[in-house]
Amino acid sequence: RKEVEQDPGPFNVPEGATVAFNCTYSNSASQSFFWYRQDCRKEPKLLMSVYSSGNEDGRFTAQLNRASQYISLLIRDSKLSDSATYLCVVMGYGGSQGNLIFGKGTKLSVKP
Amino acid sequence: DTGVSQDPRHKITKRGQNVTFRCDPISEHNRLYWYRQTLGQGPEFLTYFQNEAQLEKSRLLSDRFSAERPKGSFSTLEIQRTEQGDSAMYLCASSFTSAYNEQFFGPGTRLTVL
Repeated sequence: RKEVEQDPGPFNVPEGATVAFNCTYSNSASQSFFWYRQDCRKEPKLLMSVYSSGNEDGRFTAQLNRASQYISLLIRDSKLSDSATYLCVVMGYGGSQGNLIFGKGTKLSVKP
Repeated sequence: DTGVSQDPRHKITKRGQNVTFRCDPISEHNRLYWYRQTLGQGPEFLTYFQNEAQLEKSRLLSDRFSAERPKGSFSTLEIQRTEQGDSAMYLCASSFTSAYNEQFFGPGTRLTVL
């Protein structure tokens, strides 16, 4: 089982749609979780950290379910500029603390 | 520009040649990481440094790979006797000392091994 799994998509949605991405992780001891965004042929950039209580940043909401080892990202009112690959990321635990473990990414394409 | 920089941005080499990449982190950052990303995959961790000390190496880092950060500033990643399977984007990231601080990525070096 891969450490971080997510649906690769692609998700093709119209502008204004709400879209949700899901991700599961295998190490129950993991403590830190993130969503990164990667545009085509560019480097990954941090979109938001994910906290146990859930957190929101404008149109973006991230949630964590530790019992199910499940992370989600909700994007409301999609914009054309949201088109990118969204990477679910778990920070390594114990001896690997500090390393980021990435999922394969979910590709989002927002159409006019 | 005070972000993470990498050089070269692109490298084409023949199988069996050695290549070296450079990463200049954000100046105040103590930690420096190397990742590798192949098409359709997320980045995979290779190794990281805290100052000049190399603290961890992934099993992906075969003995053909070596990384250094001699003065705790820039870092180099060398691949000896390149193979076609080494073709990938090599990403460098840096962060402050705490493991929980955001990692900022450089633009990457795209390696093509013919």
